[in-house]
Amino acid sequence: GAGVSQSPSNKVTEKGKDVELRCDPISGHTALYWYRQSLGQGLEFLIYFQGNSAPDKSGLPSDRFSAERTGGSVSTLTIQRTQQEDSAVYLCASSSEGGDFEKLFFGSGTQLSVL
Amino acid sequence: RKEVEQDPGPFNVPEGATVAFNCTYSNSASQSFFWYRQDCRKEPKLLMSVYSSGNEDGRFTAQLNRASQYISLLIRDSKLSDSATYLCVVKGDSNTNAGKSTFGDGTTLTVKP
Repeated sequence: GAGVSQSPSNKVTEKGKDVELRCDPISGHTALYWYRQSLGQGLEFLIYFQGNSAPDKSGLPSDRFSAERTGGSVSTLTIQRTQQEDSAVYLCASSSEGGDFEKLFFGSGTQLSVL
Repeated sequence: RKEVEQDPGPFNVPEGATVAFNCTYSNSASQSFFWYRQDCRKEPKLLMSVYSSGNEDGRFTAQLNRASQYISLLIRDSKLSDSATYLCVVKGDSNTNAGKSTFGDGTTLTVKP
């Protein structure tokens, strides 16, 4: 595709429910990143993938959060038993492999609201 | 202490002013540095990379001081369209974690007529 695509763009859920957020990176980009941003706050690193493997999962806030990437392309971020503090914009970004200065291309994000 | 720290501002300046933003990072092993711009309710977009020798792109100048672990962004002749949040980004904290990009919380700039 032309850019990083995220779906859904908005998700409203009830506390305790599970949610899945999807990211479709730019074709050919081997690196994929998940961040989240609460209102008025900076970007919080969650996890990144090189191909299908995740060298760094240190940013996942709890074991309720998990992510996978298949076929070196689409990634899914799953939040189990959602809590109100999970409400935020979840941003996905991708970049091509190699070079220190490759830029991150961001999707428009998924606005998650946990009631 | 946060890995990447920025003055949150806000900076309110008139059109035509020169404004400078600063950023410090805690990990001396960091390898690459960037400034991103984020407009309200939009995703971040790369403004410019920051090279060791310093670099300029039109009205924007970025500087890096590795010894002091300090990055700066200078905007000359501010335009109304420069109003946004500017995010300092530091990438890589080791050879095994070269891909991780850490964002500062951003500095908000408002340019007024």
